[in-house]
Amino acid sequence: QSALTQPASVSGSPGQSITISCTGTSSDVGGYSYVSWYQHHPGNAPKLLIYDVSNRPSGVSDRFSGSKSGNTASLTISGLQAEDEADYYCSSYTSSTTLVFGGGTKLTVL
Amino acid sequence: EVQLVESGGGLVQPGRSLRLSCAASGFTFDDYAMHWVRQVPGKGLEWVSGISWSSGSVGYADSVKGRFTISRDNAKSSLYLQMNSLRTEDMALYYCAKDMGPVWRRASLDYWGQGTLVTVSS
Repeated sequence: QSALTQPASVSGSPGQSITISCTGTSSDVGGYSYVSWYQHHPGNAPKLLIYDVSNRPSGVSDRFSGSKSGNTASLTISGLQAEDEADYYCSSYTSSTTLVFGGGTKLTVL
Repeated sequence: EVQLVESGGGLVQPGRSLRLSCAASGFTFDDYAMHWVRQVPGKGLEWVSGISWSSGSVGYADSVKGRFTISRDNAKSSLYLQMNSLRTEDMALYYCAKDMGPVWRRASLDYWGQGTLVTVSS
């Protein structure tokens, strides 16, 4: 099972909005609503930001939002803050009865 | 407070076995699916295995299928990963993670441990 495709890096200035894409196939992202997004500050445990494509767990800021169109899921972060600088990963259930993560995107807040 | 504490990592020779454990507390363990996820330092996350609340459904990444076995003991609030025929490419930080729901396919991992490091080297 190949990893989902994410851009290696994105950047933005404080206050701006950025979007991270996560591209798969009809056998994973496009075929199921089980897409999640995680924030990972190296050295810490990953944090769940979005589940089931667009739902936020309690306690997660509404600056984080998720969506999906076809085989591509997206994470949008609005009102960028310095503490948003981290690695971001998407994941999806697959038709092979496995889970797959994206390769990860490093967000830099300029 | 939800806590997940992994143990059992260490240095092991290629071809040998290792058993990881994850002690859970702060939630009703047998209500939720659990997962193992690994990360090679400096690289991305890789899902390893998942198990449903009742152990009735399990899943494995292709890279570990046939070599690793996930299990849980709900009476002890513990998750396990038996790793056999270890390879150098299995060397990673292994995280235990709780799912938001009872089935692992939903892949909504809402709590993670700090990880236990597995080093495979001769």
